[in-house]
Amino acid sequence: DAGITQSPRHKVTETGTPVTLRCHQTENHRYMYWYRQDPGHGLRLIHYSYGVKDTDKGEVSDGYSVSRSKTEDFLLTLESATSSQTSVYFCAISEPPLTEAFFGQGTRLTVV
Amino acid sequence: KNQVEQSPQSLIILEGKNCTLQCNYTVSPFSNLRWYKQDTGRGPVSLTIMTFSENTKSNGRYTATLDADTKQSSLHITASQLSDSASYICVVSAGNQGGKLIFGQGTELSVKP
Repeated sequence: DAGITQSPRHKVTETGTPVTLRCHQTENHRYMYWYRQDPGHGLRLIHYSYGVKDTDKGEVSDGYSVSRSKTEDFLLTLESATSSQTSVYFCAISEPPLTEAFFGQGTRLTVV
Repeated sequence: KNQVEQSPQSLIILEGKNCTLQCNYTVSPFSNLRWYKQDTGRGPVSLTIMTFSENTKSNGRYTATLDADTKQSSLHITASQLSDSASYICVVSAGNQGGKLIFGQGTELSVKP
């Protein structure tokens, strides 16, 4: 299995609180991604990074920010969590153009 | 707008039967196309990856095809097994470096005994 770890695996938080999810890799892959998965929508890209301190927005980036200060870590922050951000969040890593993307096990976030 | 559409949305087949899943895409610039299998509660796992010049690629009982002219791909599963029950996701890699992954909504396959 590719060395990719998400933490925490499960989290329940209250509306309005900040939340940070962590993705850690040991593969030295250049690209890292954050996706959310909701019923009826499949996986949707939130943000991705193509290098240290190099990030770009995905299709559902509103309400989320990311940071990548080291190759191995990609952080996703919800500055003020809302109930619409209840979802399963997946981190992925890739070394384009031909290597496959490896996914973490996911983080189930519930905002109450 | 970059889009990947899959059909059918869900499919039920009997164990031992074959099935074909479809993927249409409008992604530019196209880099490659991948099929992933996602078991419930787990992250997706890659089955195949194809570049613009490849028409077909196999991985055991899974065979993927790509028609870059019509921007269509299919995933054929032969002699289905109960363990094939999962969501199958078509993913198109975009961008000049192929780093931007566009996901389809997936086809939910259920294999019944």
